[in-house]
Amino acid sequence: EAGVAQSPRYKIIEKRQSVAFWCNPISGHATLYWYQQILGQGPKLLIQFQNNGVVDDSQLPKDRFSAERLKGVDSTLKIQPAKLEDSAVYLCASSLDTGPTDTQYFGPGTRLTVL
Amino acid sequence: KQEVTQIPAALSVPEGENLVLNCSFTDSAIYNLQWFRQDPGKGLTSLLLIQSSQREQTSGRLNASLDKSSGRSTLYIAASQPGDSATYLCAVRNDYKLSFGAGTTVTVRA
Repeated sequence: EAGVAQSPRYKIIEKRQSVAFWCNPISGHATLYWYQQILGQGPKLLIQFQNNGVVDDSQLPKDRFSAERLKGVDSTLKIQPAKLEDSAVYLCASSLDTGPTDTQYFGPGTRLTVL
Repeated sequence: KQEVTQIPAALSVPEGENLVLNCSFTDSAIYNLQWFRQDPGKGLTSLLLIQSSQREQTSGRLNASLDKSSGRSTLYIAASQPGDSATYLCAVRNDYKLSFGAGTTVTVRA
């Protein structure tokens, strides 16, 4: 079974530029998550999708971050414009559903450096 | 709001020694607790998942305990090996949301 795929793996941009990350979840997984992991911290949930719909985006900085999940499969996360504090690893995860026993499977992440 | 704390932040042990990693959380109304491993430049790999009704889970050299009432979990790794060097993250599930600790970075010296 293929895992969660993410691209690019690394990205370096200047502040105020825009950037987009892509995630392809495990086939058949209804739930998709984007996390932000700042160096030395645990991952923080940015947004959760259930199929096409947003379940939770309470910690997404909506003035600069946006995310979409087209056709309930792939997802993109965009930052525009980027700030220095956005430097982090962006992790995508998917799970079969949102039940108490559902395990989240994580992709390798995209490391973003904002200069 | 759930707060998850992991102590110590870093640990270095000689090969063969047993590892003890601690995790504490503030809200005991949890569905489950998971221990993850994170290698540099890689995503998270789930090691063990303990349901709220369980006291412990075991997988090979790994054993995790859960004391929900006191808000604590401990991950034991027996007879550590250099390949166990990684960051270990604890995550607690309330409803649908996972809250992570900052992790314990383990170095096992050959």
